[in-house]
Amino acid sequence: DGGITQSPKYLFRKEGQNVTLSCEQNLNHDAMYWYRQDPGQGLRLIYYSQIVNDFQKGDIAEGYSVSREKKESFPLTVTSAQKNPTAFYLCASSISSRPSGVPGVKTQYFGPGTRLLVL
Amino acid sequence: QKEVEQDPGPLSVPEGAIVSLNCTYSNSAFQYFMWYRQYSRKGPELLMYTYSSGNKEDGRFTAQVDKSSKYISLFIRDSQPSDSATYLCAMIGDTGRRALTFGSGTRLQVQP
Repeated sequence: DGGITQSPKYLFRKEGQNVTLSCEQNLNHDAMYWYRQDPGQGLRLIYYSQIVNDFQKGDIAEGYSVSREKKESFPLTVTSAQKNPTAFYLCASSISSRPSGVPGVKTQYFGPGTRLLVL
Repeated sequence: QKEVEQDPGPLSVPEGAIVSLNCTYSNSAFQYFMWYRQYSRKGPELLMYTYSSGNKEDGRFTAQVDKSSKYISLFIRDSQPSDSATYLCAMIGDTGRRALTFGSGTRLQVQP
């Protein structure tokens, strides 16, 4: 089955600890994204990657880091510098994020999410 | 002012009603428009996408885009209790940031 997987489903972080959220896709998509969702709020962009070995900061990148060493994988690390990490984290991918004139290319598909809680 | 505005609701309707969900936006560069449905504690799932202005229909769902007014709508006909969810609009252009900009979502409750 093609799709996006995120693990773990729930993650607990202790004070001062870095934690890494996994995101894998087998859709052969070039672009991948990380969002944060707080209760009752929309999605805020943390980081995105248009292609392997390339990524850009989104609106709330402080306290987070990413890597894109493989096309299929885009892990997100929540560092100890992120003082309020409790949230629902969503990973997404799209065929591409580049101008193409093809409507479906930029459509993003989401994983099931990881809920991060602070102990 | 947010780039994309969406009424958070909740919007409560009886089963079988026609539902209208809307978003307004300020960035005239947006050309691709999407609607996502999100059930509680789940990832958003794509419902509809449209390009530029016009209408698109898929089963009980119709998406409308009016670029001149910077206004998009999603209509749900014959609404069902299983449609109860949060609906998110999202949009992107060919210039500027290469990631979707989302509305904050409208929570819909369909009463049986």
